[in-house]
Amino acid sequence: AQSVTQLDSHVSVSEGTPVLLRCNYSSSYSPSLFWYVQHPNKGLQLLLKYTSAATLVKGINGFEAEFKKSETSFHLTKPSAHMSDAAEYFCVVLILTGGGNKLTFGTGTQLKVEL
Amino acid sequence: NAGVTQTPKFRILKIGQSMTLQCTQDMNHNYMYWYRQDPGMGLKLIYYSVGAGITDKGEVPNGYNVSRSTTEDFPLRLELAAPSQTSVYFCASRASGVSYEQYFGPGTRLTVT
Repeated sequence: AQSVTQLDSHVSVSEGTPVLLRCNYSSSYSPSLFWYVQHPNKGLQLLLKYTSAATLVKGINGFEAEFKKSETSFHLTKPSAHMSDAAEYFCVVLILTGGGNKLTFGTGTQLKVEL
Repeated sequence: NAGVTQTPKFRILKIGQSMTLQCTQDMNHNYMYWYRQDPGMGLKLIYYSVGAGITDKGEVPNGYNVSRSTTEDFPLRLELAAPSQTSVYFCASRASGVSYEQYFGPGTRLTVT
């Protein structure tokens, strides 16, 4: 079965320092993976997606993620955190079905950015 | 485009009451989804639809019903509200094809007391 595990429920960084949010996946085939961001009291917004093209994926707002098959990981990074990055981040795997091709969400990582 | 819109934003229900959460999208997407989000958990799929007139159950369908009479609208019905249905509900839609990107509404925060 396809699933994702987000290794940290909370991450705290200082503004201007790098961000690393960790995600491992489990899949019996080459997965499609996504990172979504949710700002407080808002809906979810797609940050980036991996669909078996380039293993290093660039997203919006300076985020990127690298698909590493050998490590079954899809960690999200950003070189320099900004206060506006404070939000909850979800790693998501696409499950192919005969119907609606469903997304399975990780439990989320809350990113706190301090001055 | 307004994207995916949801009403209401907030609602408090008493146990046993019923209500309908509205979801509308103006992107002509065939696929639509309802999720619930509980604290400390990811989103769980309640129901989904692959087109007008076609719906199917997700992971947690018990206590809910849906209909899809038009491409634009995908309402979620709670018939007999229970405290376990206290949650934030998100509607999403996506286009056909291989992108698989889902677009989310702003959510409805529901409390059942």
